[in-house]
Amino acid sequence: AQSVTQLDSQVPVFEEAPVELRCNYSSSVSVYLFWYVQYPNQGLQLLLKYLSGSTLVESINGFEAEFNKSQTSFHLRKPSVHISDTAEYFCAVSEGRDDKIIFGKGTRLHILP
Amino acid sequence: NAGVTQTPKFQVLKTGQSMTLQCAQDMNHEYMSWYRQDPGMGLRLIHYSVGAGITDQGEVPNGYNVSRSTTEDFPLRLLSAAPSQTSVYFCASSATGGVSPLHFGNGTRLTVT
Repeated sequence: AQSVTQLDSQVPVFEEAPVELRCNYSSSVSVYLFWYVQYPNQGLQLLLKYLSGSTLVESINGFEAEFNKSQTSFHLRKPSVHISDTAEYFCAVSEGRDDKIIFGKGTRLHILP
Repeated sequence: NAGVTQTPKFQVLKTGQSMTLQCAQDMNHEYMSWYRQDPGMGLRLIHYSVGAGITDQGEVPNGYNVSRSTTEDFPLRLLSAAPSQTSVYFCASSATGGVSPLHFGNGTRLTVT
């Protein structure tokens, strides 16, 4: 069965600095990977996804993630964060169309002024 | 355009009581699922369904029952509530299971005393 590890429970970063949120997965088959974001007091929404093709995927608000099969990783990056990026970020994995979607424990991104 | 609708938003139960959390989606999605969110634990999958008449267990199914008699509805039943079931519950659906983004409801905050 698949699993997801988000090693950092909290990441503090200064405004306009770059950030990387780490995600590693475990699976014996091909995977589909997602990042979701939960802003304070809100529900979860999709940030970006990897299904196939290019290993680098981007979101509309400047985040990107790269699928690395050899390292079983799908780290999330942003070159310059804003205060509005304050949220909790969840990595998720699935093994196929009729398969469940499993989430990591989440990483809280704290933007320092 | 309702999306995923969860009711109730808040609920307080006494230990041993039973209740049903309702979830409905109007997007004709095949896949529906229930997660619980607890601090530091991320989202943990309780049960999921890949279509009407089909359900399966997730990571933490004990104490919960589900059924999927229609495409639209996926209720979650707590047969005998316990304080350990105090949590925020999210229902989510996707068009084609593990290869499509999840659409989340607004959550139900459940307290068991």
